[in-house]
Amino acid sequence: DTAVSQTPKYLVTQMGNDKSIKCEQNLGHDTMYWYKQDSKKFLKIMFSYNNKELIINETVPNRFSPKSPDKAHLNLHINSLELGDSAVYFCASSHSPGHGGELFFGEGSRLTVL
Amino acid sequence: KQEVTQIPAALSVPEGENLVLNCSFTDSAIYNLQWFRQDPGKGLTSLLLIQSSQREQTSGRLNASLDKSSGRSTLYIAASQPGDSATYLCAVSPTGGFKTIFGAGTRLFVKA
Repeated sequence: DTAVSQTPKYLVTQMGNDKSIKCEQNLGHDTMYWYKQDSKKFLKIMFSYNNKELIINETVPNRFSPKSPDKAHLNLHINSLELGDSAVYFCASSHSPGHGGELFFGEGSRLTVL
Repeated sequence: KQEVTQIPAALSVPEGENLVLNCSFTDSAIYNLQWFRQDPGKGLTSLLLIQSSQREQTSGRLNASLDKSSGRSTLYIAASQPGDSATYLCAVSPTGGFKTIFGAGTRLFVKA
């Protein structure tokens, strides 16, 4: 009954590979996010989708491509992985601002690029 | 541009002590402020959400206050326990926007 679930939890891969992380929420929210937490534990927003529309795209290399097939799912595909992509990626969801806006997070996906 | 600062960066207290964590933000045009807890290797757990029209929220031993005009929030933890040891993050959401900005967190260690 996990509210926001992401898979996989751990991902170890070689430089240059392509990988995807999937996220699903069962809270009925209309907004989903991807956050990146670096080695210093600082959380920074990458993307946000509202009703399947991309509304935030923060200076992220175009090797990162989010996709939202429906309001309950937001996936992150990363091409040509680099060492600097190693981090923990968190998915989150919320109602739109004006309807509460409380953020709920998944457990994170730890990506290690060798 | 909104910036969120949390002080102190780290805190170590003996069990039973009451403590205050501080969060400040530069732009007072916020929609809400949220406090989270993060345990090592885990996701973020929402502790308290304060809407911009509210002054404080309470949950058990936790009390969060918000002073929008001065750009400050505090998280008060009463009678701290070793199980409270974690990193506490403050996050502000802008009015009408979706871009929630996080502070760097306060790492709390409660000694038994």
